[in-house]
Amino acid sequence: DGGITQSPKYLFRKEGQNVTLSCEQNLNHDAMYWYRQDPGQGLRLIYYSQIVNDFQKGDIAEGYSVSREKKESFPLTVTSAQKNPTAFYLCASSFAGDRGEKLFFGSGTQLSVL
Amino acid sequence: AQKVTQAQTEISVVEKEDVTLDCVYETRDTTYYLFWYKQPPSGELVFLIRRNSFDEQNEISGRYSWNFQKSTSSFNFTITASQVVDSAVYFCALSEAGNDMRFGAGTRLTVKP
Repeated sequence: DGGITQSPKYLFRKEGQNVTLSCEQNLNHDAMYWYRQDPGQGLRLIYYSQIVNDFQKGDIAEGYSVSREKKESFPLTVTSAQKNPTAFYLCASSFAGDRGEKLFFGSGTQLSVL
Repeated sequence: AQKVTQAQTEISVVEKEDVTLDCVYETRDTTYYLFWYKQPPSGELVFLIRRNSFDEQNEISGRYSWNFQKSTSSFNFTITASQVVDSAVYFCALSEAGNDMRFGAGTRLTVKP
């Protein structure tokens, strides 16, 4: 079955540590996105990519980094510069993101700070 | 800049009641798309509907219906005869042509038996 796989489901970060969240899709989608969800704040866009080897910052990119070396994969690294990383992270994908295409979401990663 | 407002943070109803979730949006574009997503306790957002700015026809899908009014910049969602399985967080979202998607803060709906 086609879909989006996020791993791990739960992740713990120590002070000063970088951690990477995985996102893989087999839907043959061109565009991929990372959102952060905090209670009562909805989803906020971190980064998005509409094509391999290219990506753009969203509203809250500081303290995060991404790469898009393959069409299927869009990993997110939460760096030590992100001082408040505890949140639920959602990865999404869609067909070319310039025509109001609907997003398909993964099941999310809950990141917590130890 | 595009913006989506869901003023209702939480709603609680008893099973079989009708409930309407409000969504108000702001955009300067004439071409845009509106969405509703459902987030059950499992966490994964599920797509419910997409409307483009040129189609103001209301839509009904089973117990779900959507009312799109450009005059008031609203895209409200009504669940008729609610059921316990409808309990979830519902998000309204806006996408302008050539842009990424922006979400409202969400409305948590609890349907009690």
